[in-house]
Amino acid sequence: AQSVSQHNHHVILSEAASLELGCNYSYGGTVNLFWYVQYPGQHLQLLLKYFSGDPLVKGIKGFEAEFIKSKFSFNLRKPSVQWSDTAEYFCAVRRNNDMRFGAGTRLTVKP
Amino acid sequence: SAVISQKPSRDICQRGTSLTIQCQVDSQVTMMFWYRQQPGQSLTLIATANQGSEATYESGFVIDKFPISRPNLTFSTLTVSNMSPEDSSIYLCSVDSGRNTEAFFGQGTRLTVV
Repeated sequence: AQSVSQHNHHVILSEAASLELGCNYSYGGTVNLFWYVQYPGQHLQLLLKYFSGDPLVKGIKGFEAEFIKSKFSFNLRKPSVQWSDTAEYFCAVRRNNDMRFGAGTRLTVKP
Repeated sequence: SAVISQKPSRDICQRGTSLTIQCQVDSQVTMMFWYRQQPGQSLTLIATANQGSEATYESGFVIDKFPISRPNLTFSTLTVSNMSPEDSSIYLCSVDSGRNTEAFFGQGTRLTVV
C-alpha cells in the first residue's frame, strides 16, 4: 500500500540547533511533495512544496527540503531553529489526485 | 490561493446525535476533501467530494456514517451521524486543484462527543 513515513515522532531541540526531519514515501511515478506545519491551536499551513525542477526547495521561515528521488525521500531542514518553530510538522505526498499525509513530527524547541 | 471557512469551529455533542459541518470556499474548486485528525495523530482522508457526483469514501468510512453534500463548486457539508465518543476529533475541509497545486485547509471543526 502507498504510504508516507515520518521517522521521528517527537524531536526536542535547543534554540539555534540544526533540524532535519525525515520523510519517505512508497509511491512510484511522478509525485508532488509537501511539508505542512501546524502551530499550536492553528490550522495547517504550507511550508514548502516540490512539483518539479530543482530538487532543493526553499520555503518560508528559513525551511528547506531536498527531494532525493532514488531514496524516495523529502527531508525537511532548517540550519538554526527558534522557539517559535515549536509545532507539528507533516509531510504529504500527492500522486494524481491521491494525497496522503505522514503521521507528523512534533518539534519542541527549548529556549 | 483559496480561503476556506468552516462552521462550526467547535462543538460538544451528545452521543447518538448528528452534526453537520459546513465548508465554504471563496473561489470555485473542483475537488474538496474531508479529513479527520484524531488527537495526537495525522490527517486521515475521509472522502473526496466532487461537484455533480457522489462522494468517494476511503476504506473504513461509509456514507451512512459520514454523508457528504457538494451542491456547487464553493460549498460542501460533512455530517457525522449517530455520534459516539470515538468520533471526537478535528474535522478538516481541504481544497486543491489537482496535480501540481497545493492543498488549502480550513481551520477545522473540533468535535467532542460526550
